[in-house]
Amino acid sequence: SQTIHQWPATLVQPVGSPLSLECTVEGTSNPNLYWYRQAAGRGLQLLFYSVGIGQISSEVPQNLSASRPQDRQFILSSKKLLLSDSGFYLCACAGWGEQFFGPGTRLTVL
Amino acid sequence: GQQLNQSPQSMFIQEGEDVSMNCTSSSIFNTWLWYKQDPGEGPVLLIALYKAGELTSNGRLTAQFGITRKDSFLNISASIPSDVGIYFCAGQRTGTASKLTFGTGTRLQVTL
Repeated sequence: SQTIHQWPATLVQPVGSPLSLECTVEGTSNPNLYWYRQAAGRGLQLLFYSVGIGQISSEVPQNLSASRPQDRQFILSSKKLLLSDSGFYLCACAGWGEQFFGPGTRLTVL
Repeated sequence: GQQLNQSPQSMFIQEGEDVSMNCTSSSIFNTWLWYKQDPGEGPVLLIALYKAGELTSNGRLTAQFGITRKDSFLNISASIPSDVGIYFCAGQRTGTASKLTFGTGTRLQVTL
């Protein structure tokens, strides 16, 4: 079964600073990969998904971007963080339909 | 984006009681999934349902795929303190890159 790694686990960044969150997957090949954001006490909002290397689809307009430089690597980035970018960021992987989630990154923008 | 209607929003129950929650949609899904999320962690998949009318169990958990394909139910029997958390339903359609539409969540709290 697949294992999903996310780092860092927590991050505190000032407004206007850049961001790079990384997600890597083990135990599967050519997975679909997803980035979600979860505000405190709220549900999951899909930000980006990727069906292959270099293929990124954006679900909502935002200050963030995503890249997939390798089959099992998914990166979430920003050039300049906003206060509203704070939240819990989750990476997920789907091999045959069911999605499995990583441990998440807690981002606080001050 | 769209979210599924999940109810109840939150519930307090006593240890040992049974719990029921449900999820409804205005449109059809081909797969229904139920997840549990503990504070500060990623959601964990509990049960996956692939066929209308299907009833599937995982220990004390039982979930059903509604016959109309527009709803799903999750039951937890004999609740214990570690059942505390947020439960999310999610629907999936064929040919959508396995994207999920999530419910709004049910927060479960268990009192001793």
